Amino acid sequence: ILNVEQSPQSLHVQEGDSTNFTCSFPSSNFYALHWYRWETAKSPEALFVMTLNGDEKKKGRISATLNTKEGYSYLYIKGSQPEDSATYLCALNAGGTSYGKLTFGQGTILTVHP
Amino acid sequence: SQTIHQWPATLVQPVGSPLSLECTVEGTSNPNLYWYRQAAGRGLQLLFYSVGIGQISSEVPQNLSASRPQDRQFILSSKKLLLSDSGFYLCAWSAGTGNSPLHFGNGTRLTVT
Repeated sequence: ILNVEQSPQSLHVQEGDSTNFTCSFPSSNFYALHWYRWETAKSPEALFVMTLNGDEKKKGRISATLNTKEGYSYLYIKGSQPEDSATYLCALNAGGTSYGKLTFGQGTILTVHP
Repeated sequence: SQTIHQWPATLVQPVGSPLSLECTVEGTSNPNLYWYRQAAGRGLQLLFYSVGIGQISSEVPQNLSASRPQDRQFILSSKKLLLSDSGFYLCAWSAGTGNSPLHFGNGTRLTVT
């Protein structure tokens, strides 16, 4: 069983703050790392798919980095807005016989207060 | 463009009753299809995974089953529901490569009473 851990479990920030959270995964089992945003009453939406060590991806005010050797990825949000409030999920594709299957972390619940 | 439809949105069923949740994808062919469940206070757990018609991989032992009678149709079933089957069920598809993101349906909230 793959262990994908996300921290913190929840986070409250003020509008305009920048924030970041972590996804940890077994470095020995890696093919791709996904990030999703899950807003209340909506379905999860893909943010990034990352495959290369040292990879950095950016989408507007949200960016992510990947370290496959030590088994972690960071998600950063610059200048948080209330509409950024959501659960942020990371998911590991371990490849091999697990190719195509994603193991999700528990998520980080972000609340941005106006 | 591709779309995914999942129904019903909510369902309340008594213990021991059968279950059928349906998911269809439009605008793509030969997608990978998935059923995930989020139980209360827990993350998304992969239940079933399919790479083609009639090809189903079960990830966890349970009293649920899945079928893929057509390329873009994925059905989650149970003959007799348990209380522990309550949760939020999500269907998803991907393009079939390890780098392809999942595209999720709107989910079904199942309450077993």
